[in-house]
Amino acid sequence: SAVISQKPSRDICQRGTSLTIQCQVDSQVTMMFWYRQQPGQSLTLIATANQGSEATYESGFVIDKFPISRPNLTFSTLTVSNMSPEDSSIYLCSAVGPDPRYNEQFFGPGTRLTVL
Amino acid sequence: GDSVTQMEGPVTLSEEAFLTINCTYTATGYPSLFWYVQYPGEGLQLLLKATKADDKGSNKGFEATYRKETTSFHLEKGSVQVSDSAVYFCALSRDSSASKIIFGSGTRLSIRP
Repeated sequence: SAVISQKPSRDICQRGTSLTIQCQVDSQVTMMFWYRQQPGQSLTLIATANQGSEATYESGFVIDKFPISRPNLTFSTLTVSNMSPEDSSIYLCSAVGPDPRYNEQFFGPGTRLTVL
Repeated sequence: GDSVTQMEGPVTLSEEAFLTINCTYTATGYPSLFWYVQYPGEGLQLLLKATKADDKGSNKGFEATYRKETTSFHLEKGSVQVSDSAVYFCALSRDSSASKIIFGSGTRLSIRP
C-alpha cells in the first residue's frame, strides 16, 4: 500500500487569491490523481497528474484554473487559482501503484478549502 | 457512459442491527468494483473490492458480492457498531490499474448506541 500526505490539511482563503496544495507519497507510484469533493457530494476527478508532462484534465476542468505539477514519482501539487466561494471543497490526492497487480487507488486525507 | 447508483442516505440504525447499502452499476465488460469509506474528518479508505463476477470482497465484518446478472455490489454487515458511522461510497473502475474510478453519490450511515 501507499501512504499519502497532503499539506495544508485545511485553509481559509480570500476570493481572488490562489492556493497550492501539496501531495507526497511514501513510495514511487505509477499514477497520481486529484479529486474534488464539494460539500455533501461525491468525488469528481479533476485531472491525472503526469510525471514530467502536462496533466490530463477531465471535462469541465482547465489548466488555467487548476494548474498541476508532478516533478517526480512521489510528489504532486494542485493550485486552485483565482478562487471564488464556489471553489470551497475538499481536494484529495490519490495514487495507484507501483504494482499494477493490486488494482487499487489510495487516497490522501484531503485538504479542506474554504473561500470567503 | 459508466455510472454507479447507490442508496440515498442518510441511513440511521441501532447498534447491532443488520446493514445493507444497495449499489448498482452500469458498465460494459467486467469492471472492478469497490466500496470506500470516509470516516468523519478523514480521507477515503478502501473498505473492500471485487474484480470479477461472483467474487466476494470482505473486510472488518463488511461483505459485498459482485453480481454480474443484477449488476449489483450491495454492502452488508451483520451487526453494526457505532464506530461504523461514516459515509460509504460504491465505485467502479474499468481500467485494470484502477486509474479511472467512478464514484457513487455516497451514503451517510449513522449508528445509534
